[in-house]
Amino acid sequence: GAGVSQTPSNKVTEKGKYVELRCDPISGHTALYWYRQSLGQGPEFLIYFQGTGAADDSGLPNDRFFAVRPEGSVSTLKIQRTERGDSAVYLCASSWGLAGDEQFFGPGTRLTVL
Amino acid sequence: GESVGLHLPTLSVQEGDNSIINCAYSNSASDYFIWYKQESGKGPQFIIDIRSNMDKRQGQRVTVLLNKTVKHLSLQIAATQPGDSAVYFCAETPHSGGGADGLTFGKGTHLIIQP
Repeated sequence: GAGVSQTPSNKVTEKGKYVELRCDPISGHTALYWYRQSLGQGPEFLIYFQGTGAADDSGLPNDRFFAVRPEGSVSTLKIQRTERGDSAVYLCASSWGLAGDEQFFGPGTRLTVL
Repeated sequence: GESVGLHLPTLSVQEGDNSIINCAYSNSASDYFIWYKQESGKGPQFIIDIRSNMDKRQGQRVTVLLNKTVKHLSLQIAATQPGDSAVYFCAETPHSGGGADGLTFGKGTHLIIQP
């Protein structure tokens, strides 16, 4: 079956603008994760959904970042008033939702804030 | 805060040789450890995992060793191939018990396979 998909693959925006990044998880996976990866660094956890609810949003850096998963499948990461420091690759992963389940990653969305 | 880190940022080995990538972690409550491989422009790909109640686990051409006494994790790749060239990350989950958790990743080691 299809893996995790993310759109767009690249997004260039201007400082202060609003952006939305989309993640389509593997069908049937109840858990969905967002990570942010800066150049030369490992992915940094942002938020994790179990079904429709955010089970852990402790990694969101500030209130400009928000994510939703209204139907328990597709998720959207929303960033308001973007700053140059938000430039990174945003990765999405999904899993069956049990402890220790393998997280399958998408290819990421490269966000560039000018 | 507590984090997972790596000793070497770049490792170059000859094709066919074995490689060892090391990782140190600081959270003694870590329960589950994973090695990921990431190729340029792609998301991380699962290689092998190990739980804190084990000290060794083997897969196809890969072995993960866990030393809880010194909080050290290593990935051994046997008979390296050009396709093994990538950045390798160790990751851990700080919680044990039911429910999935976000992963804490180290900075990564770039493995280069020389022909």
